[in-house]
Amino acid sequence: DAKTTQPNSMESNEEEPVHLPCNHSTISGTDYIHWYRQLPSQGPEYVIHGLTSNVNNRMASLAIAEDRKSSTLILHRATLRDAAVYYCIRGTSYGKLTFGQGTILTVHP
Amino acid sequence: EAGVVQSPRYKIIEKKQPVAFWCNPISGHNTLYWYRQNLGQGPELLIRYENEEAVDDSQLPKDRFSAERLKGVDSTLKIQPAELGDSAVYLCASSPESGEEQYFGPGTRLTVT
Repeated sequence: DAKTTQPNSMESNEEEPVHLPCNHSTISGTDYIHWYRQLPSQGPEYVIHGLTSNVNNRMASLAIAEDRKSSTLILHRATLRDAAVYYCIRGTSYGKLTFGQGTILTVHP
Repeated sequence: EAGVVQSPRYKIIEKKQPVAFWCNPISGHNTLYWYRQNLGQGPELLIRYENEEAVDDSQLPKDRFSAERLKGVDSTLKIQPAELGDSAVYLCASSPESGEEQYFGPGTRLTVT
């Protein structure tokens, strides 16, 4: 199966860093690793993506293992608004995204 | 800038009835996607358009589902006849080009009774 593997749920405290892991041991050499998040009653929202190198943007950082079989999404300071379902996704170069079940992130005040 | 617009937001129908969902993508976005999201699951791609052309419809159940994107802008997804198992959220997304960041609409929640 081409889907990724993530923990069902994780918890964090507000203003602490959060590391969301993802396994994608069967990823092909040309597939990207995408992260999207989804709040209740909303469509998914893009967070970050990468191919081989670590990536940073205003929302998060993405650390990709050297063998590309796993990656970690890093939220540097969690806020209550970061509580959502986070999806780690294999994506082809032409944009086909294969979503898994995602990780439900709970942020405690 | 307006995001992806979908209507209706909610729809309740009886089984065997037809239903249609409408999507207006972000202006200038050439690629449009329809996804289906079952409760507790991630979205699954149904069809991808590049302009007017459906370039990937391998996951679309063609016996009852159809889609069109006339003039390469708005799109309509239709189900006829609906079955109980079609109850789900139908999401539309668009991107400037294939492979770029996808912007999702809020979805249409379909309930088939």
